Amino acid sequence: QKEVEQNSGPLSVPEGAIASLNCTYSDRGSQSFFWYRQYSGKSPELIMSIYSNGDKEDGRFTAQLNKASQYVSLLIRDSQPSDSATYLCATRGEGTALIFGKGTTLSVSS
Amino acid sequence: KAGVTQTPRYLIKTRGQQVTLSCSPISGHRSVSWYQQTPGQGLQFLFEYFSETQRNKGNFPGRFSGRQFSNSRSEMNVSTLELGDSALYLCASSSRTGGFDGYTFGSGTRLTVV
Repeated sequence: QKEVEQNSGPLSVPEGAIASLNCTYSDRGSQSFFWYRQYSGKSPELIMSIYSNGDKEDGRFTAQLNKASQYVSLLIRDSQPSDSATYLCATRGEGTALIFGKGTTLSVSS
Repeated sequence: KAGVTQTPRYLIKTRGQQVTLSCSPISGHRSVSWYQQTPGQGLQFLFEYFSETQRNKGNFPGRFSGRQFSNSRSEMNVSTLELGDSALYLCASSSRTGGFDGYTFGSGTRLTVV
């Protein structure tokens, strides 16, 4: 049974700092990973996906994947109060089913 | 381009009743997946429909069912509602052509069972 683990937080960072969100997964064979952001009372929205070892950058966001350590992270540079949300890490299960962690709550203070 | 549309947004039902939720995917997307989100269990996969066929099912009891129509719209049904079915039900749309690169979620239906 594939599992994804995340620290529930809250992770608190000051405005302008780098926020680092982490996720570990149980199945060494997992290939695809996704980061979603969910604002309170809203539905999740896809930030980025990552499939290969290393870093993938998109604007202020960088996803990092280390398959040897079964570890995925999301870095948010120049954090803004608008980044305050719950961040969900997911890996692909059977078919297109996603297995989600329970999320890390990020709070960015101005 | 219209997003994923879920109706209704909110529902209050009584234990033992049944409920039907509706989802219209992004135009051109033929895959619709359903998830249940609760504070305790997080986001859990219910099932996926593609081309009117259920392709995958999560670990939920048979009271949870769904279907997909020829226009890709999908419905999910929960029969004999229990208090524990209170949750946010999310529909997710994906293309499934050219590879899978994540879903777009709808706004969800918040179901409260009393």
